[in-house]
Amino acid sequence: GAGVSQSPRYKVAKRGQDVALRCDPISGHVSLFWYQQALGQGPEFLTYFQNEAQLDKSGLPSDRFFAERPEGSVSTLKIQRTQQEDSAVYLCACAVGGGAAGELFFGEGSRLTVL
Amino acid sequence: GDSVTQMEGPVTLSEEAFLTINCTYTATGYPSLFWYVQYPGEGLQLLLKATKADDKGSNKGFEATYRKETTSFHLEKGSVQVSDSAVYFCALSQAGTALIFGKGTTLSVSS
Repeated sequence: GAGVSQSPRYKVAKRGQDVALRCDPISGHVSLFWYQQALGQGPEFLTYFQNEAQLDKSGLPSDRFFAERPEGSVSTLKIQRTQQEDSAVYLCACAVGGGAAGELFFGEGSRLTVL
Repeated sequence: GDSVTQMEGPVTLSEEAFLTINCTYTATGYPSLFWYVQYPGEGLQLLLKATKADDKGSNKGFEATYRKETTSFHLEKGSVQVSDSAVYFCALSQAGTALIFGKGTTLSVSS
């Protein structure tokens, strides 16, 4: 597609459930980022891939969070044993080149609500 | 660590009013600076950027100048339109690091 596609757009989970959020980036974009955006806040960095390599995962808040991009295109963010504090919008973004700076193209996000 | 501070919103203006959204940053090096915008129901998109001191970024009538001496990157527009209603995010990045965002400022323009 022409833009970054994220699914599901909305997810409601019971506390303790596992969730998986998918990101389909712009074809050929080397860099892929995941951000977490809490209500009324700016996006907070979670992790960064260059092709299939996860180069930075310093922003993942706990070991319940796991991300992968096995073939260097589609990425999945998995959250195990969800907690209420995980409720947020999860944004995926991509960039044409390598490196973590510069113009990012964002998806519309996946809104996770944990009850 | 590096950080971005934006003026708190919401900012409410009438059409054709002048807009300023303040942004200041803290960084150890020489970051690139950005303004991203999020229109209702859409994803974040780049509005403008500046990569070095005294650069001016501009797009869609918006401007921002990279001021190293005041560590600022204020967003301005001379005459806002209803269609400018959105959330605006100031951001910075250093070489090799991901974008760091401010908390966002909501702009509401009425006709």
